[in-house]
Amino acid sequence: GIQVEQSPPDLILQEGANSTLRCNFSDSVNNLQWFHQNPWGQLINLFYIPSGTKQNGRLSATTVATERYSLLYISSSQTTDSGVYFCAVERRRIYNQGGKLIFGQGTELSVKP
Amino acid sequence: DAGVIQSPRHEVTEMGQEVTLRCKPISGHDYLFWYRQTMMRGLELLIYFNNNVPIDDSGMPEDRFSAKMPNASFSTLKIQPSEPRDSAVYFCASSFPRKGLAGYNEQFFGPGTRLTVL
Repeated sequence: GIQVEQSPPDLILQEGANSTLRCNFSDSVNNLQWFHQNPWGQLINLFYIPSGTKQNGRLSATTVATERYSLLYISSSQTTDSGVYFCAVERRRIYNQGGKLIFGQGTELSVKP
Repeated sequence: DAGVIQSPRHEVTEMGQEVTLRCKPISGHDYLFWYRQTMMRGLELLIYFNNNVPIDDSGMPEDRFSAKMPNASFSTLKIQPSEPRDSAVYFCASSFPRKGLAGYNEQFFGPGTRLTVL
């Protein structure tokens, strides 16, 4: 099956710093999503980004599908950005209703005041 | 709009008891997914439905687990009998079809049910 690797596994930042999280995947994909799991356990959608670049406030993401990686940028980090960031991918298929969304192990981010 | 709704939010039960988790997808979404999250295995898909029909149940751990979707607005995940190793957070998610292509679009997750089996 498709492999999803996220780096770094852990990250500690001072409030106001910028960071880049990476997601590598081992096969072509139909679907790539970034999620933030907050300290209360909620999974919050950040980006649906199988290819290209998107921005939402202080966050932006870029997926280079041909090179099988995606990057999540967090600028001017805040303490509320703390939590675990997951990348999840669905392997590309040319038929049927869709495959499994496979999650990486996550990057645990801690933003200190 | 209401998001994905799950109940109960927390469940504590004793080994051997039957557990039923419930999910209401976002209205108009015809894909529904059940996931389990543990420290050891991370987030893993158990089963998913399209138009109320199970499509892939290869992630269901064993016969003690079963899932149904009797209609477009309701699904259950049942564990009978429950065991301590079933303790986890169970998430339900829903999605809608990709435009002009096979498969689904962005998935939206419910708040999860934290299950503890003693």
